Amino acid sequence: GQNIDQPTEMTATEGAIVQINCTYQTSGFNGLFWYQQHAGEAPTFLSYNVLDGLEEKGRFSSFLSRSKGYSYLLLKELQMKDSASYLCAVRVTGGGNKLTFGTGTQLKVEL
Amino acid sequence: EAQVTQNPRYLITVTGKKLTVTCSQNMNHEYMSWYRQDPGLGLRQIYYSMNVEVTDKGDVPEGYKVSRKEKRNFPLILESPSPNQTSLYFCASSSSQGPLAGGGYFIEQFFGPGTRLTVL
Repeated sequence: GQNIDQPTEMTATEGAIVQINCTYQTSGFNGLFWYQQHAGEAPTFLSYNVLDGLEEKGRFSSFLSRSKGYSYLLLKELQMKDSASYLCAVRVTGGGNKLTFGTGTQLKVEL
Repeated sequence: EAQVTQNPRYLITVTGKKLTVTCSQNMNHEYMSWYRQDPGLGLRQIYYSMNVEVTDKGDVPEGYKVSRKEKRNFPLILESPSPNQTSLYFCASSSSQGPLAGGGYFIEQFFGPGTRLTVL
């Protein structure tokens, strides 16, 4: 099976930059996804990496190193509305399009 | 409006009483999936479907059934619910864009609003 690790909680200040790490152990890696989930709501898609490197989308960037089994989500110019849980998920080959999610990182943005 | 809908949104039932949670999408997506979310365990995939009449097990399929007779609908059936199936359930859909670089067939999944199920 797959093993995905993320920090449980993080706190950051409004306007700052925060990096949320995700490490995974799997065979047949086939893509890594980041989702944002506000309390009581459905997850929403943030980013997708399948090749090594950085993907940037506005204030959000995601990085992948397949050799290290490592990804991070970078959030810049933090806003209060960024307080949410951030979910890392991995897809593997041979599993159809099955996704395995980490338990999520609860980010709290403070003034 | 493009969306994934689930019904009911909230349900309290008793052990052993069969129930169905419906999921429907209006985006003509090929891929649909069911997840359950529990504190400390995160989102876990129950079943997924690559297209009509094509379904496969996720990580936690025991106690659940699904069907995909039409492209837009993907109901989740609990034949004999038990208290350990008390959870928050999400349906999701995605369009097939593949095969993509590195493999795989989809990128963004759109999630429904969730169904909070309590089994007494």
